[in-house]
Amino acid sequence: NAGVTQTPKFRVLKTGQSMTLLCAQDMNHEYMYWYRQDPGMGLRLIHYSVGEGTTAKGEVPDGYNVSRLKKQNFLLGLESAAPSQTSVYFCASRPLTSGRAKSTDTQYFGPGTRLTVL
Amino acid sequence: QKEVEQDPGPLSVPEGAIVSLNCTYSNSAFQYFMWYRQYSRKGPELLMYTYSSGNKEDGRFTAQVDKSSKYISLFIRDSQPSDSATYLCAMSSALGYQKVTFGTGTKLQVIP
Repeated sequence: NAGVTQTPKFRVLKTGQSMTLLCAQDMNHEYMYWYRQDPGMGLRLIHYSVGEGTTAKGEVPDGYNVSRLKKQNFLLGLESAAPSQTSVYFCASRPLTSGRAKSTDTQYFGPGTRLTVL
Repeated sequence: QKEVEQDPGPLSVPEGAIVSLNCTYSNSAFQYFMWYRQYSRKGPELLMYTYSSGNKEDGRFTAQVDKSSKYISLFIRDSQPSDSATYLCAMSSALGYQKVTFGTGTKLQVIP
C-alpha cells in the first residue's frame, strides 16, 4: 500500500513551457485534491475532484487544469508556466465519509513536487 | 484578515520541554479541527483530529479546542528532537469534500 504518490519529485521549467503533474492513490479514495504551498501562504487549494470524471475549482485555479479520468489518478496541468507558479505542489486524497466524524475521514497527502519556473 | 492565523515561529525549545502551538480563526462555522505535522521536504501527515470543542489526548500530544474563543492549541509533552517539524493547524465546517482551511504553519525545533 503506497498511499499517495506524486510524479515527478522535482522539475525546472522555463516560462511558457507546459507540464503535467501526476498523482496516484491506491486507497480507493473518492476525493482528491491539488494544493500549492508557498512560504507565508500555507496550503492553498487549486482544484479538487469528488469522483471519477468530476473536477471543481478551488481557491487558486487560474493557470491550472486538471483531469480525473480514473478514480486512482488526478492530473494537474500547467499549460503555459509562469514564475508565479514556482511552488511545492501537494496532492491529497480522502475517503467518502461515513457521516460520523473520525480521523480516517481526513486527507492523506503525497510527498510533493517541487516546481521551479525560470 | 486570514480565516486562520498561526504564528510562523520558529519556535526553539530544549529537549523535554512542553510545547504549546496555537491557532486562532474567524469562521464560527468550523467544527472539525486538525493538526498536521510536516517534516522538511515531506508532505503533511495527520497528527490530531478533533470534532467540536474539548480536549483530545494521544500519547504525548494533546489537542484543545475552545470554540467560544475561536482558539485551538496543540501541546507536546516531553518534546523530542524527532518532534522538530512544521505544525499546521487545519479546520473545516463539514464532512465530505468541503474545503479545509490551513494555517501557515509553525516551525518547531527541539534542541537535544
